[in-house]
Amino acid sequence: AQSVTQLDSHVSVSEGTPVLLRCNYSSSYSPSLFWYVQHPNKGLQLLLKYTSAATLVKGINGFEAEFKKSETSFHLTKPSAHMSDAAEYFCVVRENSGYSTLTFGKGTMLLVSP
Amino acid sequence: EPEVTQTPSHQVTQMGQEVILRCVPISNHLYFYWYRQILGQKVEFLVSFYNNEISEKSEIFDDQFSVERPDGSNFTLKIRSTKLEDSAMYFCASSEAGGGYNEQFFGPGTRLTVL
Repeated sequence: AQSVTQLDSHVSVSEGTPVLLRCNYSSSYSPSLFWYVQHPNKGLQLLLKYTSAATLVKGINGFEAEFKKSETSFHLTKPSAHMSDAAEYFCVVRENSGYSTLTFGKGTMLLVSP
Repeated sequence: EPEVTQTPSHQVTQMGQEVILRCVPISNHLYFYWYRQILGQKVEFLVSFYNNEISEKSEIFDDQFSVERPDGSNFTLKIRSTKLEDSAMYFCASSEAGGGYNEQFFGPGTRLTVL
């Protein structure tokens, strides 16, 4: 079985300061991990994915995430927040066994103030 | 850039009525999915579809739900007799292939409100 915990429902930062969105997972098999972002009235957009290659994954818009197996974490970071980063972010796990499904975290709403 | 589209964006229906939610996946994709998100809760997997049949479904996807690919472009989710608890945002997704490494592309969602 697989599960995802996003530790913060809301994160508030000021523009230009670092962003940290936390995610812990559990999986019976070697997982793939994803971060999706959802802007208001838009679909879920893939930010980045980990698929057992490099543990530090770079995504779009300056985001990156580090897969830490010992900590079962996949935290999302960005050095400097932009106003356009304000959105809801979902951490997602998928076990690499057959047609295994995506399991979503509850989401973290990122608020960016000027 | 190709994208998944969904119609309508918002559907209001009376309890007990049938609804059909429509999706147009990305044209060269072969795998299709439905997810839902009840307000304040997690996005949950409903069903995956490949080669004109269901490949996987969750416990949520009971006999009141069905999916269909009626033509070469549309992918639909039907709820036969809606209940209040079916109120949710429904997301369609598609991917080129199955398996854990393949990105699923999501549509903007249909918000279903059952009164």
